[in-house]
Amino acid sequence: AQTVTQSQPEMSVQEAETVTLSCTYDTSESNYYLFWYKQPPSRQMILVIRQEAYKQQNATENRFSVNFQKAAKSFSLKISDSQLGDTAMYFCAFPAQGGSEKLVFGKGTKLTVNP
Amino acid sequence: KAGVTQTPRYLIKTRGQQVTLSCSPISGHRSVSWYQQTPGQGLQFLFEYFSETQRNKGNFPGRFSGRQFSNSRSEMNVSTLELGDSALYLCASSLVVGGITEAFFGQGTRLTVV
Repeated sequence: AQTVTQSQPEMSVQEAETVTLSCTYDTSESNYYLFWYKQPPSRQMILVIRQEAYKQQNATENRFSVNFQKAAKSFSLKISDSQLGDTAMYFCAFPAQGGSEKLVFGKGTKLTVNP
Repeated sequence: KAGVTQTPRYLIKTRGQQVTLSCSPISGHRSVSWYQQTPGQGLQFLFEYFSETQRNKGNFPGRFSGRQFSNSRSEMNVSTLELGDSALYLCASSLVVGGITEAFFGQGTRLTVV
């Protein structure tokens, strides 16, 4: 079965600092992609960044970047220059097998950015 | 382009009642998925519909059902509500672009069962 593990239930960081959120996963697929979603208090789940497993280069979106280690099945999210608006739940996710558009999510990490 | 719209945003029901939640996907999206989010269990997949057909179903009792209409709008129904059904129900519509599925979520319906 495919699983996603986020080992940090809660984290906090000072504004302008850098924080890394961890995610490990398990899949038997060889070609897949991974996502980080952000869910602020407004509840809307927003896609932060995605990584295609066949790409060796780590994805980057402005202040957000990933450290993708395919052999270790690790997919961490780095947030640079943290801002108060980054306060949210962060979920690691990837598509289930079988051509479905179902996503398998981790339990999430609650990130608080302090002023 | 309008996003995914879920109605209602909040709902309070009594045990034993039934409830229907609605989801309007982004125009052009034919796939709609539903998730239940609770503090203890996190995000759990309920079901996925594509072109009016249920393509995948999660591990939930038969009290949870859904359907999709020809305009891709989807509804989910929960019958004989239990206290444990209190949760945030999220709907996502999906589009495959360049071989990658990208899911867009609505703001959810907060269901409270009392």
